[in-house]
Amino acid sequence: DIVMTQTPLSSPVTLGQPASISCRSSQSLVHSDGNTYLSWLQQRPGQPPRLLIYKISNRFSGVPDRFSGSGAGTDFTLKISRVEAEDVGVYYCMQATQFPITFGGGTKVEIK
Amino acid sequence: QLQLQESGSGLVKPSQTLSLTCAVSGGSISSGGYSWSWIRQPPGKGLEWIGYIYHSGSTYYNPSLKSRVTISVDRSKNQFSLKLSSVTAADTAVYYCARVIGYYDILTGYYQSGYFDYWGQGTLVTVSS
Repeated sequence: DIVMTQTPLSSPVTLGQPASISCRSSQSLVHSDGNTYLSWLQQRPGQPPRLLIYKISNRFSGVPDRFSGSGAGTDFTLKISRVEAEDVGVYYCMQATQFPITFGGGTKVEIK
Repeated sequence: QLQLQESGSGLVKPSQTLSLTCAVSGGSISSGGYSWSWIRQPPGKGLEWIGYIYHSGSTYYNPSLKSRVTISVDRSKNQFSLKLSSVTAADTAVYYCARVIGYYDILTGYYQSGYFDYWGQGTLVTVSS
């Protein structure tokens, strides 16, 4: 199975400041069809996960443009340009390139 | 707007079978290009993919759970279901259903998943005697 490793485990951020989360996969996530099936999910307290970013850098419908994804191969990053109070929660990366689908352990974003 | 809603028994005894259903509204479960998945999250922990079913009925299970999992679809009711047998306390978790965006590769006969775009609210299942 592909292991997804996220850093940091926790990210205390000042409101209005940027935040960055790293996700590293144990193998390349480039699929033979040319796509890289790396997505990012947000889970607010007491809520189900919500899709933010798919295929590295595509924002899902309704996701604010302060969220952006980047990376390639085995190294990926989720950035929040200016953290707002509603961004508090746990963020997960997920790969679907190789069976079985696996998730990172999560990064908790909290306000300082 | 697509909506998914899980339902089922919230308390299951050890060694018995967990059964959950996900009702889909705002879209057809038979629409091409989609699969329907189950994911779980033990209390205070991360996410684990359980498996998914393509609308044709083809199923794909996490090898770690494959011997105990069955996912099925009921097109007439626009819903799909999860059965997990021989449960233990380790199966206590919030169970989510979700729609999978992907495509069916005709050449390989395999459904390539991409990402989960819509999720249900989740339902807590506790395994306890």
